[in-house]
Amino acid sequence: AQSVSQHNHHVILSEAASLELGCNYSYGGTVNLFWYVQYPGQHLQLLLKYFSGDPLVKGIKGFEAEFIKSKFSFNLRKPSVQWSDTAEYFCAVNGENYGQNFVFGPGTRLSVLP
Amino acid sequence: EPEVTQTPSHQVTQMGQEVILRCVPISNHLYFYWYRQILGQKVEFLVSFYNNEISEKSEIFDDQFSVERPDGSNFTLKIRSTKLEDSAMYFCASSEGLYSNQPQHFGDGTRLSIL
Repeated sequence: AQSVSQHNHHVILSEAASLELGCNYSYGGTVNLFWYVQYPGQHLQLLLKYFSGDPLVKGIKGFEAEFIKSKFSFNLRKPSVQWSDTAEYFCAVNGENYGQNFVFGPGTRLSVLP
Repeated sequence: EPEVTQTPSHQVTQMGQEVILRCVPISNHLYFYWYRQILGQKVEFLVSFYNNEISEKSEIFDDQFSVERPDGSNFTLKIRSTKLEDSAMYFCASSEGLYSNQPQHFGDGTRLSIL
């Protein structure tokens, strides 16, 4: 079965620190890649997505992610985090060998200290 | 911006009872999904629905589960005889297209607590 892994279960940063959250997916042919964020008590919101083209994609709220096909990775980055970025971050993949559904990673909880 | 809406936000049910979770997808979307998230675990796919029939389901989606689009706007998930392990957050999602260029938009979720 196809799977998605996220490197860190819980990341704690101070405000203004740089962020990188890792995401790796198992080989599955053509894939579409997504990062979703879940703020406390809220629903999943799309941060950014990659389908094709430039492997460096920019999303909302200053987030970006880079697709590295050779490493099956799609890491999320932000140069300077804010307290309001405290949330759970989920990497998700779909594509030709994943079926119609999304396969989600286990999530990384980000805590930003003021 | 249009949203996926789910009701109720929290459902408490006795084990063995039937429960129906309701979702109103975004109006021009054609594909509908249910996911669940057991507390502390990752989001798991349950089922996808298109053209009034199930198009894909996971092994979690056994005979106790069913989905329906009863009236052209609602999309429901029914659990016939709930078990303790059904306690989870259930998310509905919808998308315009099938993993072509359309991400899935998620509702706020329904927290299901089985006693």
